[in-house]
Amino acid sequence: NAGVTQTPKFRILKIGQSMTLQCAQDMNHNYMYWYRQDPGMGLKLIYYSVGAGITDKGEVPNGYNVSRSTTEDFPLRLELAAPSQTSVYFCASSYVGTGYNEQFFGPGTRLTVL
Amino acid sequence: AQTVTQSQPEMSVQEAETVTLSCTYDTSENNYYLFWYKQPPSRQMILVIRQEAYKQQNATENRFSVNFQKAAKSFSLKISDSQLGDTAMYFCAFSDSGGGADGLTFGKGTHLIIQP
Repeated sequence: NAGVTQTPKFRILKIGQSMTLQCAQDMNHNYMYWYRQDPGMGLKLIYYSVGAGITDKGEVPNGYNVSRSTTEDFPLRLELAAPSQTSVYFCASSYVGTGYNEQFFGPGTRLTVL
Repeated sequence: AQTVTQSQPEMSVQEAETVTLSCTYDTSENNYYLFWYKQPPSRQMILVIRQEAYKQQNATENRFSVNFQKAAKSFSLKISDSQLGDTAMYFCAFSDSGGGADGLTFGKGTHLIIQP
């Protein structure tokens, strides 16, 4: 199992450009998440998905869009990139059934908007 | 909304010493989960230990243990016999009774440095 994979690892964008951060998991997890980590801060939830076709906003969704067309993939779309979106982005997944459900994290994407 | 507070931005100890990282949280829920994550320079988020709020017994994982004080809403991490490889950012995190279905709430982190 590759676990949770993210591409690209690094990216520099100009203000106003758009891009999609890719995330995939091969663990047959039903839940997937996107977090951002600003310098010196903990992770904050952007969006999450409970299954294919279903997404919901987290704490900081403005400026982002997501889709979940398959169980495996959960891309994050940035439209009109702004310097405030400079951050490290983490994708995570978990199998939510009953009780505790560990979240497995990808390696992160470092995004700089100049 | 839940909040998680880590009041120690940075800590430094000598190798083999014991160190305790502090975490407090605020919630109105009775059932929930608490976690400590380690983030080394590689950026990978690694689950160190978890605690279910309904369990009175403190969780332990080898050299890592927690002191969970539910009434005080305190959740500290103790690392015994610290090793150079323990150098990392440590994040305290909260999850509601759904087991994290709605995502985790993280503190700002503590940068732990283990000196040789």
